[in-house]
Amino acid sequence: QKEVEQDPGPLSVPEGAIVSLNCTYSNSAFQYFMWYRQYSRKGPELLMYTYSSGNKEDGRFTAQVDKSSKYISLFIRDSQPSDSATYLCASRHPGTYKYIFGTGTRLKVLA
Amino acid sequence: DTEVTQTPKHLVMGMTNKKSLKCEQHMGHRAMYWYKQKAKKPPELMFVYSYEKLSINESVPSRFSPECPNSSLLNLHLHALQPEDSALYLCASSQDTVDTYEQYFGPGTRLTVT
Repeated sequence: QKEVEQDPGPLSVPEGAIVSLNCTYSNSAFQYFMWYRQYSRKGPELLMYTYSSGNKEDGRFTAQVDKSSKYISLFIRDSQPSDSATYLCASRHPGTYKYIFGTGTRLKVLA
Repeated sequence: DTEVTQTPKHLVMGMTNKKSLKCEQHMGHRAMYWYKQKAKKPPELMFVYSYEKLSINESVPSRFSPECPNSSLLNLHLHALQPEDSALYLCASSQDTVDTYEQYFGPGTRLTVT
């Protein structure tokens, strides 16, 4: 079982829709969770990170962690065509520098 | 400034060539990483340097040789690569503490081995 799992998509939504991107994880020791956005042929860009359970909001983006169900979500409000990219969730083995990534979900926002 | 720079952007090399990839950051980060990313796959960790010392080697073949000359620079020396090594090579950096989770990536070097 992969430590972080993510539906690869693609996920297509109309402009202005609320997008929900999700990951599950299996390692109970994971405490911090990150979301990256990666445009085609570019490096990943850190969008947000969140600790343990709860919500964190940054502009149109909200990250949510539910530790009881080992579920991580990223919500994008008022989605724009420029949000079209692959979104990667990640965590890190505590006490190490080893980051674990989900496979990424490809998102297309249609104008 | 959260910028990690990488050169070159693109590299084509033959299987007998020797080349190097370079990475630089000026954020004062003391942990630096090399990742390999194939199309439609997540980044795959190769090496981690912490305070210029190799901390993690994910059983990478010896044809890849990392080097960290100082706290701002990271190199990846390539020799006798195989066509299956063609990928996007990403450098990243983060703070040196195990409680810091923000990791910043460079734009990558797209490597093609012919």
